[in-house]
Amino acid sequence: DAKTTQPTSMDCAEGRAANLPCNHSTISGNEYVYWYRQIHSQGPQYIIHGLKNNETNEMASLIITEDRKSSTLILPHATLRDTAVYYCIVRVGNNDMRFGAGTRLTVKP
Amino acid sequence: GAVVSQHPSWVICKSGTSVKIECRSLDFQATTMFWYRQFPKQSLMLMATSNEGSKATYEQGVEKDKFLINHASLTLSTLTVTSAHPEDSSFYICSAFRGPGTEAFFGQGTRLTVV
Repeated sequence: DAKTTQPTSMDCAEGRAANLPCNHSTISGNEYVYWYRQIHSQGPQYIIHGLKNNETNEMASLIITEDRKSSTLILPHATLRDTAVYYCIVRVGNNDMRFGAGTRLTVKP
Repeated sequence: GAVVSQHPSWVICKSGTSVKIECRSLDFQATTMFWYRQFPKQSLMLMATSNEGSKATYEQGVEKDKFLINHASLTLSTLTVTSAHPEDSSFYICSAFRGPGTEAFFGQGTRLTVV
């Protein structure tokens, strides 16, 4: 699977949008982009995934560039409970998911 | 939504003993499950892929005789840490996919402490 690159850490003010970038410049045509987050001492929680088109659900929006080499996860109104490590993963089919270091997002009051 | 459940959530055992961790898919069948290990302040590291009815596939550097995986049914995979030592203390997490092209669901994790 392709590797991803994410910033080590980010801060966001409570109530503001949190925009988390991810680079996946070697992604192949059939690989999906997945986002998960992990709150301390819990299993990862699924957020959203997409292939080419932008996606939105009740938790977040996923913006994928036209060349698919990067994407941005958007949490529209961050709360203190959104403080977590966010992982961007690319995966094809039913292959295993391999985690990078992720981005530690801290939402501040 | 689909749920993956792990048991126990935490366990403390004596050095030299074995510990079994269960991973269950509660409302779907999973022919494949994955086991991860996570040390403090580190990311999840894939240990092995558990296949129903066949042998598990282990990642390089993971001792298959120490970390025994059994995937006896479509809803249950178990990880047994044999002859545990303090360096095996870690957070163990399992995951499963509900179907092709779907998201993976993760268990809540099991914190193992070997004393």
